[in-house]
Amino acid sequence: DSGVTQTPKHLITATGQRVTLRCSPRSGDLSVYWYQQSLDQGLQFLIQYYNGEERAKGNILERFSAQQFPDLHSELNLSSLELGDSALYFCASSIRGGIQETQYFGPGTRLLVL
Amino acid sequence: QQPVQSPQAVILREGEDAVINCSSSKALYSVHWYRQKHGEAPVFLMILLKGGEQKGHEKISASFNEKKQQSSLYLTASQLSYSGTYFCGTEAPPVGAGSYQLTFGKGTKLSVIP
Repeated sequence: DSGVTQTPKHLITATGQRVTLRCSPRSGDLSVYWYQQSLDQGLQFLIQYYNGEERAKGNILERFSAQQFPDLHSELNLSSLELGDSALYFCASSIRGGIQETQYFGPGTRLLVL
Repeated sequence: QQPVQSPQAVILREGEDAVINCSSSKALYSVHWYRQKHGEAPVFLMILLKGGEQKGHEKISASFNEKKQQSSLYLTASQLSYSGTYFCGTEAPPVGAGSYQLTFGKGTKLSVIP
């Protein structure tokens, strides 16, 4: 158990819908990362937040957005969902979000878009 | 740019050794190694920093050759519990005004059989 929690564990929805994934970092960690994992792409970095502010952006689509709240939990919002958005979405956290820091991964949310 | 891992897959008998390689085209700050079992979150194994240090974790160790921008993960006397997909993640200096990211390879699937 890494100490990172994610909800929900599974999500099934239809194309065109919007969903929100939630992540709570390890106690004491200020930085949260979101990753998408699909069979053919491996782990793709989406976005990073540090203490409420966006720090880094990766391959995140414009239909996706995220935020980190004052209590440090984070939400990833996925809208206008397409079949290709079906994937495992992981959240990870680290202490300060700087270089050479270990990231601890949550259990993931499995999203299925039908 | 995504690091390249080799081999893509390997099958071992219990007690055998294996080496998994990770190569990048960029100069690196660090290399991170994770193991992921099917349907679970990636679990941190170790981080290797600039300096070519070799680190160990149980019977799993790794090296980092920063001149060659390569890292290798060594699994000795493999156990059934070592089965899973191994990912390397690389940190490189950002380009221009970009921010640092951890970029993962596509993974090496390791199967240990009795």
